Amino acid sequence: QPQLKESGPGHVKPSETLSLTCSVSGVSISSTGYYWAWIRQPPGKGPEWIGSIYYTGSTHYQSSLKSRVTISLDTSNSQFSLRLTSVTAGDTAVYYCAREYKYNSLDVWGQGTTVTV
Amino acid sequence: DIQMTQSPSSLSASLGDKVTITCRASQSVRTDLNWYRQRPGEAPKLLIYAASSLQTGVPSRFSGSGSGTVFTLTISSVQPDDFASYYCHQTTRSPWTFGQGTRVEVK
Repeated sequence: QPQLKESGPGHVKPSETLSLTCSVSGVSISSTGYYWAWIRQPPGKGPEWIGSIYYTGSTHYQSSLKSRVTISLDTSNSQFSLRLTSVTAGDTAVYYCAREYKYNSLDVWGQGTTVTV
Repeated sequence: DIQMTQSPSSLSASLGDKVTITCRASQSVRTDLNWYRQRPGEAPKLLIYAASSLQTGVPSRFSGSGSGTVFTLTISSVQPDDFASYYCHQTTRSPWTFGQGTRVEVK
């Protein structure tokens, strides 16, 4: 049974960098066919896809965040990470990690972690 | 980016009611359309992928249809767990985008 869990600071100061890690268990992060994604959800709003990474290291990102975001993979520790620079209050949200699978649907989600700027 | 618009934004239903939610895309997304249910304080849960395929373990009261720019999610008989928010999600062209959501409330 695959499981994902986010970790990282709950508060980040404006202009600083937000860094989160997603720990993956129950499935190999190096398996073909899966992308590993970050999604965020501001208070009272719908989800926003931030970006995702394949086991080869190939990434694609949300257009509006592309200049500030980096997603990376650590296969030896079965983790992937999100880095978002120059944060503002507009980046306050619940951040989720998830697995993209069939038709890039998000079939397994972490519990989410709240980040306040 | 492809814009996804859901209607209605909210609706009221009673247990056992049939509910239909519509999602429209600003351009064709073929059948690259997924649906999620999100209960308060929880992560979204995948219900339907590829417009009409039921995710493993999801009750058969959920069904999806459509292609191109218009899609529907139907709950044939609303149950207590279904009072929640629902989101459509396109994955035909990056960046993937979500609808703004439909809240199903108790009548």
